[in-house]
Amino acid sequence: GQNIDQPTEMTATEGAIVQINCTYQTSGFNGLFWYQQHAGEAPTFLSYNVLDGLEEKGRFSSFLSRSKGYSYLLLKELQMKDSASYLCAVKDSNYQLIWGAGTKLIIKP
Amino acid sequence: DVKVTQSSRYLVKRTGEKVFLECVQDMDHENMFWYRQDPGLGLRLIYFSYDVKMKEKGDIPEGYSVSREKKERFSLILESASTNQTSMYLCASSFPGTETGELFFGEGSRLTVL
Repeated sequence: GQNIDQPTEMTATEGAIVQINCTYQTSGFNGLFWYQQHAGEAPTFLSYNVLDGLEEKGRFSSFLSRSKGYSYLLLKELQMKDSASYLCAVKDSNYQLIWGAGTKLIIKP
Repeated sequence: DVKVTQSSRYLVKRTGEKVFLECVQDMDHENMFWYRQDPGLGLRLIYFSYDVKMKEKGDIPEGYSVSREKKERFSLILESASTNQTSMYLCASSFPGTETGELFFGEGSRLTVL
C-alpha cells in the first residue's frame, strides 16, 4: 500500500529552528509537496520538490531524497504565526496525491 | 489571487437528508477536487473533475456524487447523509499547465450529521 508518515505533533520555541520529517512509500514518484494549514483555514502551498536536494524559500526550506523516500521541511527563525499543521503529500505514478496526516506545530514564546 | 469559495462553512444535517456542498473558483482552472479531512488521517479524495461534465471517482466515492455543469463550479452531493459522513470537506482547484499543479483550497465546509 501507499503510505506517508510524519510526526503527529511537534513543539518549538519562537526564534528557533524546527525540522518536520516526512517519509513515504508510494507506487512511483512525481513530486512531493508541503502545505501549511492554520486551524480552521484552507491549506496553502509551501513548496514542491521533484529532484533531490534542498529548495530554499525565505525562512522555509524543503529537502528531498528520492532514494531514501524522505523529505523534511525546515523552518527557521520561528514566529508565533508559524503555529499550524504542515501537510506532506506525494504525487504517485498516476499523478494522484497521497497525503500524510499532517504535523501540528506548536510554537511557544 | 485565486479564490476558491465554498458555500457553507458549517452545516448540521439529519441522517437521511440530502446535502449539497457548493464550490466555486474564479481562476478558470480546469481541475477541481473534493476531499474530506478527518483527524489523524490524510486528506482523502472523494471525486475530481478535469473538465466540464467530466467526473472521476477518487479513493472514497461511496455515498457521494458530484456535478460539474460549469467550469467554475463543482458540487458535492450526499444523497442520504449518514453519521459517518460527519467531516470537514475541502474543495480545491488547479491549473494543469503549471509544473507543480499546486492545489488552491477553499476554507472548508464542516458538516455534522446527527
